[in-house]
Amino acid sequence: GPKVLQIPSHQIIDMGQMVTLNCDPVSNHLYFYWYKQILGQQMEFLVNFYNGKVMEKSKLFKDQFSVERPDGSYFTLKIQPTALEDSAVYFCASSFQGLSNERLFFGHGTKLSVL
Amino acid sequence: TQTVSQSDAHVTVFEGDSVELRCNYSYGGSIYLSWYIQHHGRGLQFLLKYYSGNPVVQGVNGFEAEFSKSDSSFHLRKASVHWSDSAVYFCAVSLNYGGSGNKLIFGTGTLLSVKP
Repeated sequence: GPKVLQIPSHQIIDMGQMVTLNCDPVSNHLYFYWYKQILGQQMEFLVNFYNGKVMEKSKLFKDQFSVERPDGSYFTLKIQPTALEDSAVYFCASSFQGLSNERLFFGHGTKLSVL
Repeated sequence: TQTVSQSDAHVTVFEGDSVELRCNYSYGGSIYLSWYIQHHGRGLQFLLKYYSGNPVVQGVNGFEAEFSKSDSSFHLRKASVHWSDSAVYFCAVSLNYGGSGNKLIFGTGTLLSVKP
């Protein structure tokens, strides 16, 4: 079935550095999402994105976070600078129409370890 | 504010047993309810969803869930579990607004362990 790919699967960086997490969503999908999961706990919504714009973001989406998808390439989550509390697994998801009755397709996640 | 509550953090059953994973929500308006499964180290996979109509909805791999407005619940059930059903199960709600992105609010998850 349709797949969302996330690159890399694991990223280790020093606190204060910049990191970019990459997501290749399902090819015909138009809405993109990032979720954060700490230590196998609850999945927390970060942001959703459509037509080049952030539609909605949560309190977890700090000023150090940004998202973009330049010209249909990867949908990226950039954190600059990183903090220790940013260590988590970040899941990318996509959907076609962005409707509430649609299922989301999730990637396998990128584990971010901030040292 | 909408919330999702999964009261059981961990459920252990034997292969062939039936299982029910509980989910309760609080929200007064129109919502969509869904269940997702997460195998260890993997992303979430969709199981089933409900918005209206028949309160019992069928999903993949023999799972079904029943919506109850009076109980504000959407419990997930399976009649006979297999060891491969061992995973974390997340209940989720999303508000009924269209076209501006589907923001899912997840419960804390229930780890299902199926013993042989």
